[in-house]
Amino acid sequence: GQNIDQPTEMTATEGAIVQINCTYQTSGFNGLFWYQQHAGEAPTFLSYNVLDGLEEKGRFSSFLSRSKGYSYLLLKELQMKDSASYLCAVRDSNYQLIWGAGTKLIIKP
Amino acid sequence: IAGITQAPTSQILAAGRRMTLRCTQDMRHNAMYWYRQDLGLGLRLIHYSNTAGTTGKGEVPDGYSVSRANTDDFPLTLASAVPSQTSVYFCASSDSSGTGDNEQFFGPGTRLTVL
Repeated sequence: GQNIDQPTEMTATEGAIVQINCTYQTSGFNGLFWYQQHAGEAPTFLSYNVLDGLEEKGRFSSFLSRSKGYSYLLLKELQMKDSASYLCAVRDSNYQLIWGAGTKLIIKP
Repeated sequence: IAGITQAPTSQILAAGRRMTLRCTQDMRHNAMYWYRQDLGLGLRLIHYSNTAGTTGKGEVPDGYSVSRANTDDFPLTLASAVPSQTSVYFCASSDSSGTGDNEQFFGPGTRLTVL
């Protein structure tokens, strides 16, 4: 079956760095997405990886290793507004997104 | 309209009733999707449409139907609602059937409670 695993919850301090991991087992691979979802709101796109390596976008970076079925989202200089759930999703061989359950990130002052 | 809109925002429905959730996008995206989101579970695909006039089944299609008469609208119908369909429903759209780095854009969601 298809499976996306992420930690359920993480806590970090304002101004610090946090890494959210995602491992996946899917039927085919056509890219990996990270989305941010604030409580009660819709998911919004953060990053896309299809080749191995690091993609940097401001305070956020995303890494992919296809051979290991592994990705992480790195958030630097954490701000209180970064408190949200972070969703990992893999596009499979049918070009459909398979979603992880999300990681709730709590930022403490 | 800017982006994707969904209606209603929330609804309480008696079991056995028929309900249509509306979704409209103004981005001229080819592909549209319906997901449900339940606590502790990832978003699960109900139905999708790669282009106007075509639809496909996702991971959890039972009890739901969709139509795609034009590019902008993608309604989701629950023919006879059951309590297990209590969830938050998100409509999404993407360009070019979601290939390449074309991300999905999400509507604000409909919170549905079936009693």
